[in-house]
This record gives sequence, C-alpha cells and structure tokens, in this order.
Amino acid sequence: EAQVTQNPRYLITVTGKKLTVTCSQNMNHEYMSWYRQDPGLGLRQIYYSMNVEVTDKGDVPEGYKVSRKEKRNFPLILESPSPNQTSLYFCASSLSRGAAAKNIQYFGAGTRLSVL
Amino acid sequence: EDQVTQSPEALRLQEGESSSLNCSYTVSGLRGLFWYRQDPGKGPEFLFTLYSAGEEKEKERLKATLTKKESFLHITAPKPEDSATYLCAVRSNYGGSQGNLIFGKGTKLSVKP
Repeated sequence: EAQVTQNPRYLITVTGKKLTVTCSQNMNHEYMSWYRQDPGLGLRQIYYSMNVEVTDKGDVPEGYKVSRKEKRNFPLILESPSPNQTSLYFCASSLSRGAAAKNIQYFGAGTRLSVL
Repeated sequence: EDQVTQSPEALRLQEGESSSLNCSYTVSGLRGLFWYRQDPGKGPEFLFTLYSAGEEKEKERLKATLTKKESFLHITAPKPEDSATYLCAVRSNYGGSQGNLIFGKGTKLSVKP
C-alpha cells in the first residue's frame, strides 16, 4: 500500500530537549515536505526537499532542521523545542514539484507535538 | 505573491441541503488547483486537481469547478459522513517556491442528520 508514514503520532516533551520526527514514503517520490498546522493559520510549509541531499526553507523554517540522506526518508529535527512549536505536523510527498497531472501530494497521518 | 482564500470558514448544513464552498486564488500562472478533505486529527486526503478554467471534476456527491479567479466545491445532497474540513491549494508559480503548494485555511463543513 502506497503511504507516507510518520512517527511518533503523539509526542509530549519539554523545552530544550532535542527531538526527531521521522517520515518515510514507499512511493519512490522525489519531492518531500514538512508542514505545520495551527488553528486559524492553516497549513504552513516548514522545509521541503526536491531530492536526496537537496533541501530548502519553506515559509516557517525557524527552529527546525531537516535532512535527506535517502530518497524515502525525510526527518524533521527540533534541536531545542520551544512552546511555540506546539502544533500538528504533517509530512507529504509527491513525484516531483512539477505541474504534471499525476503529481499529487500525499500526506502522512500527522504528529501532534506538545512542548511544555 | 500567491494567495488562497477560502470561504466560508465554517458551514452547517442539514442532510440533503446542497451548497458550495469557495476558493479564490491569486497566482501568476496557475499550475494546478487542488482540493483536499481533512478529517479531525488526520492528514489531508486528495480529492481533485484542476488545471484550466472551465474544467470540472466529480466524485460521488462532490463536484469541483474552476474559473480564472476561483474554484467551487459543490456538495449535492450531503450526508453526515461528508462532515470534514475541505482544503484548497494552488501550486505556486512564485520565485524560489515555484512548485510548492500554497494552502487556504479551509472550510469546516458540518452536516446534521
């Protein structure tokens, strides 16, 4: 089954304790992206990657890091989490960033993070 | 800069009461408009892609249409299971973000039996 898998689904942590949220896709997609979703603000892009070793900032990158060492994995790293990073996080992937009709972005089930 | 605005923010319907959700967009050269459905606590689920004005797509009780400035998601005779938040997104054509999706804030639909 084609899917984007995020782990963990729920995470409670404390300010300053480094954490990693993993994301894996089994569709051989080149493009992967991280979003955060907050009430009243909608989905905002944090970072994206167009291929292995190619990453770039989205709209709200401050306080986050990513890496893309393998095509299937795109972890999100919070080196020193703060309470304003409490949010619902989604990983997504698509074939590429192009405008082809089949280039649909698929989302993971989400990770709900609380930083105390 | 590319922008997406959805209205209304929330919509309450009785079962069987048809209505439409609006997505207006500003983009320098449309490269795709997307509709997603999102259930509480879950990831967005793809519904439709539209590329050119006049294009229409249908799936069960949902029909998406596109003009040069906006898209509508028409819901015909909705059922309670259609309750969800509906998200609209456009593929950005703006500078370094070209190809990324820009999302609206969504319309939360509630259908009462």
